[in-house]
Amino acid sequence: GDSVTQMEGPVTLSEEAFLTINCTYTATGYPSLFWYVQYPGEGLQLLLKATKADDKGSNKGFEATYRKETTSFHLEKGSVQVSDSAVYFCALSDRSNTGKLIFGQGTTLQVKP
Amino acid sequence: DGGITQSPKYLFRKEGQNVTLSCEQNLNHDAMYWYRQDPGQGLRLIYYSQIVNDFQKGDIAEGYSVSREKKESFPLTVTSAQKNPTAFYLCASSSGGYTGELFFGEGSRLTVL
Repeated sequence: GDSVTQMEGPVTLSEEAFLTINCTYTATGYPSLFWYVQYPGEGLQLLLKATKADDKGSNKGFEATYRKETTSFHLEKGSVQVSDSAVYFCALSDRSNTGKLIFGQGTTLQVKP
Repeated sequence: DGGITQSPKYLFRKEGQNVTLSCEQNLNHDAMYWYRQDPGQGLRLIYYSQIVNDFQKGDIAEGYSVSREKKESFPLTVTSAQKNPTAFYLCASSSGGYTGELFFGEGSRLTVL
């Protein structure tokens, strides 16, 4: 079945460092891809999404490009802040039209001042 | 403000007791979902509903039950048959389809004593 694999955390960076969180997927067909962020004690919020190959999603300085040839959707940010400390989830939506998402295991990011 | 409200935020129960988690949305979304979150395992789908009076099992439905009598409401009952119920439970809704995002509530943390 469809699945999502993220790099293991936790990831610890200094403020203003470059961030990459790797995400690869396995799916039949061409899923839509998402990054969600979860701050401590809260639910998930959509960070960005891409619905077809070569699309780039971006929001709040974060970017991710839908790469069909490598089945990847890596999350990047040029300069992280302490406030970016959170858990990041990569997810895919299959083409079944149910709207349900399949999530990766999450990657914890800690940014130190 | 539009959104999803989950209650209670924290819940303790004794072994052998059923407990019901509430989820209400005022986004006028047709589809609603229940996910379970465990540390290091990401989110796993318990049940979902695409329309009133209809719902489908997700990947880990055993020991859980749901109802969808109103568009706004999708309560989850954790029964005594659920072997390991201690977890963080997240409710979400969407307008449906494979490109739509999920909107999440703030979650309910259930602890079995």
